[in-house]
Amino acid sequence: DQQVKQNSPSLSVQEGRISILNCDYTNSMFDYFLWYKKYPAEGPTFLISISSIKDKNEDGRFTVFLNKSAKHLSLHIVPSQPGDSAVYFCAARRNTPLVFGKGTRLSVIA
Amino acid sequence: DARVTQTPRHKVTEMGQEVTMRCQPILGHNTVFWYRQTMMQGLELLAYFRNRAPLDDSGMPKDRFSAEMPDATLATLKIQPSEPRDSAVYFCASGLVPDGKTTDTQYFGPGTRLTVL
Repeated sequence: DQQVKQNSPSLSVQEGRISILNCDYTNSMFDYFLWYKKYPAEGPTFLISISSIKDKNEDGRFTVFLNKSAKHLSLHIVPSQPGDSAVYFCAARRNTPLVFGKGTRLSVIA
Repeated sequence: DARVTQTPRHKVTEMGQEVTMRCQPILGHNTVFWYRQTMMQGLELLAYFRNRAPLDDSGMPKDRFSAEMPDATLATLKIQPSEPRDSAVYFCASGLVPDGKTTDTQYFGPGTRLTVL
């Protein structure tokens, strides 16, 4: 039973445009959400996070939005750059280790 | 530049052989996690330790997998006997967690790619 779902296995976006990666969760007790980025042959690296008391967190080109009523979060990348091409994992937790989604592969086309 | 290290980076072995993967967490971190990444399941948590004590290993097949922390600088994941379905990338991650809290940010190693023939 996947508690964290990333329903799009892949996404292609033109350089300079906005990338929107989506994540849904089923456990309403989750209170902290994170996005990790993973390049081939490397481990995932932390990108951005958001607490359940907020609905938006911004860090440079990256913004995470949280919609608690819909149990949905999204990662926006503006503008997208070729170096953003990677697999992005959504993760969530509450008093437990992180629960990860299966990831979305983002390809930014020059 | 502190980072989690894992050895070996690649391992090819035959079914039935023992496999040992090693992880050196970031110095000073008190929590260590083992994950397995497959195409079908994404990142699955296998086990984790805090202050070298195992807290949860419910994600591991108990009959063949074992995880230990002989000391604060070394975590091991062992598979005996290995099977083709164990083929995956195994990641170790570490974090610094104050007592009574859970970790928010985990730092991952580069992974061990295991192929069992």
